[in-house]
Amino acid sequence: AQSVSQHNHHVILSEAASLELGCNYSYGGTVNLFWYVQYPGQHLQLLLKYFSGDPLVKGIKGFEAEFIKSKFSFNLRKPSVQWSDTAEYFCALFPFSGGYNKLIFGAGTRLAVHP
Amino acid sequence: GAVVSQHPSRVICKSGTSVKIECRSLDFQATTMFWYRQFPKQSLMLMATSNEGSKATYEQGVEKDKFLINHASLTLSTLTVTSAHPEDSSFYICSARQAGTTYNEQFFGPGTRLTVL
Repeated sequence: AQSVSQHNHHVILSEAASLELGCNYSYGGTVNLFWYVQYPGQHLQLLLKYFSGDPLVKGIKGFEAEFIKSKFSFNLRKPSVQWSDTAEYFCALFPFSGGYNKLIFGAGTRLAVHP
Repeated sequence: GAVVSQHPSRVICKSGTSVKIECRSLDFQATTMFWYRQFPKQSLMLMATSNEGSKATYEQGVEKDKFLINHASLTLSTLTVTSAHPEDSSFYICSARQAGTTYNEQFFGPGTRLTVL
């Protein structure tokens, strides 16, 4: 069955530190991949998405992610985090298959950035 | 951009009553809407997929008779929690997929926090 694994459940960083959140998925076919962010008390917002083409995708607020097909990974990165990046981050997979055509979410990573 | 609203944002009800939650796509038509449930500090769990004009498809383990879903128009889906119990207390989130698009992006509503006393 398709699944998404986010390795880090809780990450704590100081401002200006670099960020990398891991996301691996299990599915051998064509995929769309997403990173969503949920700020405290707010709804899910799309950070970035990969559909096809350049595996390095850039999103809002300085975030980027790289799709590495051979590693089934879609890690999220930001070179220098800010206090306002404190939020929960969800990786999501949309597998193109004959059956289950729905978003599958990872468990989420809670990021806390200290000033 | 595509905006999805939910109403109400918070609801408190007594055990045994029913609660209706509305999900609207404000500036686009959504042939498909999704209902999720999110427990504290956990991920989103898909409850059901709602297609306009047809019956909803429920995920395994979700009771159809308890969580009634209606998708009567291209901009509105409703989730009714019938005979609510304290264990139904949760954060319910809807999302909508824009009609006529070739990609699979979903737009999420702000969520509804349900507390059953």
